[in-house]
Amino acid sequence: AQRVTQPEKLLSVFKGAPVELKCNYSYSGSPELFWYVQYSRQRLQLLLRHISRESIKGFTADLNKGETSFHLKKPFAQEEDSAMYYCALSGARGSTLGRLYFGRGTQLTVWP
Amino acid sequence: GAGVSQSPSNKVTEKGKDVELRCDPISGHTALYWYRQSLGQGLEFLIYFQGNSAPDKSGLPSDRFSAERTGGSVSTLTIQRTQQEDSAVYLCASSLASFMGGPYQETQYFGPGTRLLVL
Repeated sequence: AQRVTQPEKLLSVFKGAPVELKCNYSYSGSPELFWYVQYSRQRLQLLLRHISRESIKGFTADLNKGETSFHLKKPFAQEEDSAMYYCALSGARGSTLGRLYFGRGTQLTVWP
Repeated sequence: GAGVSQSPSNKVTEKGKDVELRCDPISGHTALYWYRQSLGQGLEFLIYFQGNSAPDKSGLPSDRFSAERTGGSVSTLTIQRTQQEDSAVYLCASSLASFMGGPYQETQYFGPGTRLLVL
């Protein structure tokens, strides 16, 4: 069964410190992995996806199939990064294409 | 252009009443999704419409929940005989078509949500 686990409900760091938000998944096949972000009073929006291999707002995430992980990292956190972050999975084939499976989210707070 | 819109933004109802939630997807997006965001449960998939295909209803929690999409555009999520556990934020998202057997999932764009409170 498909499952996305974000072990940290809350994460706090100081401005300028590195930050890593953990995400592990289970899926029998080749999934697509995403990070979505929800800033205060804003709608949920895509931050990045593994197939694009981009760095967005200084964040990167590498898909590690051996460890079934897709951790989100940023070397120097900024106050404006404070938000709720969701890891999500979509099946690349078959009936699971379309729907997203979300983790429960990690609330990141970056202190000044 | 305009993003996904949802109405109402907030809805308070009494237990046992029916509610209808509306979603207007981005123009040209043929795929439409409903999710529910509740305390302790995170974001749960409810239903997925793709063009004229039969919807994927596998995430609907009970037969009190139903959804339709008229004319391939606007969608309405209906909850009959609401219960207190239905209280949640209901999110709608839309995307370009994601084809089975295709190489990747299209990006889903989310609406602001409808906050439902069942008293």
